[in-house]
Amino acid sequence: GAVVSQHPSWVICKSGTSVKIECRSLDFQATTMFWYRQFPKQSLMLMATSNEGSKATYEQGVEKDKFLINHASLTLSTLTVTSAHPEDSSFYICSARDIFEVEEKLFFGSGTQLSVL
Amino acid sequence: AQSVSQHNHHVILSEAASLELGCNYSYGGTVNLFWYVQYPGQHLQLLLKYFSGDPLVKGIKGFEAEFIKSKFSFNLRKPSVQWSDTAEYFCAVNPGSSNTGKLIFGQGTTLQVKP
Repeated sequence: GAVVSQHPSWVICKSGTSVKIECRSLDFQATTMFWYRQFPKQSLMLMATSNEGSKATYEQGVEKDKFLINHASLTLSTLTVTSAHPEDSSFYICSARDIFEVEEKLFFGSGTQLSVL
Repeated sequence: AQSVSQHNHHVILSEAASLELGCNYSYGGTVNLFWYVQYPGQHLQLLLKYFSGDPLVKGIKGFEAEFIKSKFSFNLRKPSVQWSDTAEYFCAVNPGSSNTGKLIFGQGTTLQVKP
């Protein structure tokens, strides 16, 4: 089946540094990818919708300048957490939609655990 | 605001017991409904989905869910669980009739099946 590769799986960084997370669709094309964040014991919250070749659409309350999204190709979207702070520590998950699927079919990455010291 | 509520946060069952996980959503219009499962150390996987038609939906591994529009519910059931069903289960809703892929997730239910 279709696979979404997300990497790194976990990252520890110092406060003030930037961290880039990659999300790749391995055997399908994805014009749209989605970025979610999950805090412990809470549900996944949609942060932004990443559109290939255009600007991402951010959900209310998500800082676009802090969470930079780039979707330069049909198989790759990146999320960069800029000037990370401890409150950005969270589990980040991407998902991608196969453009050739008639019905809604999303594939999820394995997630990235970010810890900011 | 639109939301999805899963009533059970942590469920512990013995093998062969029956399972029902509750899911309610708040949205008055057309919805697409999903149940996802995440086995330990693995990706989220689609268990089953409802778009339209028969409100009783059958998914993989013997799971089924029933959409009850009047109750805004989409409960997940399995008549006899196995140890391998130990996982995290998420209910999700895509509000609106267009498939945007934007999902609103419940907070998840951890199912632990004792052998």
